[in-house]
Amino acid sequence: DIQMTQSPSSLSASVGDRVTITCRASQVIGNSVTWYQQKPGSPPKLLVHSASRLESGVSSTFSGSRSGTNFTLTITSLQPEDFAHYYCQQYYSAPWTFGQGTKVEIK
Amino acid sequence: EVQLVQSGAEVKKPGESLKISCKASGNSFSTHWVGWVRHVPGKGFEWMGIIYPLDSETRYSPSFQGHVIISADKSIDTAYLQWTSLKASDTGMYFCVRPPAGITGYFDLWGQGTLVTVSP
Repeated sequence: DIQMTQSPSSLSASVGDRVTITCRASQVIGNSVTWYQQKPGSPPKLLVHSASRLESGVSSTFSGSRSGTNFTLTITSLQPEDFAHYYCQQYYSAPWTFGQGTKVEIK
Repeated sequence: EVQLVQSGAEVKKPGESLKISCKASGNSFSTHWVGWVRHVPGKGFEWMGIIYPLDSETRYSPSFQGHVIISADKSIDTAYLQWTSLKASDTGMYFCVRPPAGITGYFDLWGQGTLVTVSP
């Protein structure tokens, strides 16, 4: 199975901060990565697919990028509603696998 | 608005059987695959498998193959996840998921989740 190593596991930030979350794939997977946001008591919400394509309706403060087997989710200006858990997922090769998640907390 | 509505929480004993459901609104089953993802705190999310309701083609993760059964009834737009003999390690939150049309690998629609607790 392809391993997705996500970091950091948690971070503290303030409203307006720029936040970066990274996932490293255990092998080459092209652009086959998605990012999800999950808030307590709710299912995950798709933010980005194909490494950098923003899902319809998602704030433009979110962006995704790829460099080799490293994938990054960036929040350019953290908003109060962005405090949540974030997960990456690869869909290059089944079984699809997820990163362990990053908890974004209020500083 | 298309929604996936899952059946309610379950508490079972090891060895018991269980079938949970996921009903789609909006005729989603005619054009989309439907899958299941498990979440266990501390272990994360695990993709379990996926089914194409129109012809019942099913694909399983090797980690779940042989332990669960995924099925669907396209006449009522409902997918199912079934166990014949539950284990304590099956405890978790189970999400029904739907990829975009023509896609199987990522999910733009999630059910609300069904909490399954397996305890003696």
